[in-house]
Amino acid sequence: AQKVTQAQTEISVVEKEDVTLDCVYETRDTTYYLFWYKQPPSGELVFLIRRNSFDEQNEISGRYSWNFQKSTSSFNFTITASQVVDSAVYFCALIERGSTLGRLYFGRGTQLTVWP
Amino acid sequence: GAVVSQHPSRVICKSGTSVKIECRSLDFQATTMFWYRQFPKQSLMLMATSNEGSKATYEQGVEKDKFLINHASLTLSTLTVTSAHPEDSSFYICSAPGASYEQYFGPGTRLTVT
Repeated sequence: AQKVTQAQTEISVVEKEDVTLDCVYETRDTTYYLFWYKQPPSGELVFLIRRNSFDEQNEISGRYSWNFQKSTSSFNFTITASQVVDSAVYFCALIERGSTLGRLYFGRGTQLTVWP
Repeated sequence: GAVVSQHPSRVICKSGTSVKIECRSLDFQATTMFWYRQFPKQSLMLMATSNEGSKATYEQGVEKDKFLINHASLTLSTLTVTSAHPEDSSFYICSAPGASYEQYFGPGTRLTVT
């Protein structure tokens, strides 16, 4: 079974629109870590955020915000006032504490295209 | 923050030849490193876990004789694609974990087999 599900394969928005990327995860561990990464066309993964399972506070960083809901096993990512430079593939990922240190399970990614 | 490098960033090789990709942790030691493969428009798939001083652990379906992994030191892991074929063309990314479950990724190596 998929441990991380990103149901949205592709999203297109026009600049300045808000957009939310969904992520649903599955784990039996009580301690785990959730991540979001951005992958621009160059291919290099850019770390955006890490959240541990005991911290359900939502986080905001500039135009980015994350909504962690343990009750629904979701860790959604919202970009406010999107810009063309936000166009990339975004991956949600999970590390389970019971797994080999650092073994990441990736979702299949969401391709975000922001049009000018 | 911690930095992981990969070399080469791009490589083109002929079918049947072998290619070595290096992954280095530049300012920290990594007893474990991970190798991922990413086909176009797909997610990253874990190939193997590289362990310093011992054999690598391969994911199901990954041929260990084709993808040789050597973790020679606490800062270097290498992936050798032996007898490469066009279907091995892909983007290969390595990563090394930090002490608190953070993950440091290399910039990736784009392999093209002609």
